[in-house]
Amino acid sequence: TQLLEQSPQFLSIQEGENLTVYCNSSSVFSSLQWYRQEPGEGPVLLVTVVTGGEVKKLKRLTFQFGDARKDSSLHITAAQPGDTGLYLCAGKLTGNTPLVFGKGTRLSVIA
Amino acid sequence: DADVTQTPRNRITKTGKRIMLECSQTKGHDRMYWYRQDPGLGLRLIYYSFDVKDINKGEISDGYSVSRQAQAKFSLSLESAIPNQTALYFCATSDRTWGDTQYFGPGTRLTVL
Repeated sequence: TQLLEQSPQFLSIQEGENLTVYCNSSSVFSSLQWYRQEPGEGPVLLVTVVTGGEVKKLKRLTFQFGDARKDSSLHITAAQPGDTGLYLCAGKLTGNTPLVFGKGTRLSVIA
Repeated sequence: DADVTQTPRNRITKTGKRIMLECSQTKGHDRMYWYRQDPGLGLRLIYYSFDVKDINKGEISDGYSVSRQAQAKFSLSLESAIPNQTALYFCATSDRTWGDTQYFGPGTRLTVL
């Protein structure tokens, strides 16, 4: 059973469209992180959210942490080809345990 | 220079061979990790180490072993490689005080024939 479920698994959209990807769990996390991975490279951190209900914006990307700290979403406004990549969410459970990663959403933005 | 380096970057080997993947970091982090990435399966944790004297199995440790030679070095070994170990392998480091944000190396693409 996957602790963090990401949806959709694949997304292909036209440049300029908006999109939302989701990261859901039945577990409560002390914090949640979003990473982006480009082909041939390791994932790179985009943002960390730590408070239930928190919203963070990074240019055209908006991240939200659910009130109960069990889920998160990433919304991209006016997607660009440079947004293409694999988006991974990762949750930090309470206690001294490693991060738990979702399987990722592979986004393709077509010019 | 990169903060997290992995060697080799690419490796092709044969079934039954012993393979070692090496990871070095200059970030001064205590925590280091080895992940495996396969299409559709995301990142899966193989082993992790929260300090030099600490080694823990992850989700998929069978067929793998690790050695933490120093704070900055963490090696992954495949004692007898098999074809289903063909994958992209990532090393990562983290600092507990920053929510264990992971800093990944560039990856090693391993092919077992």
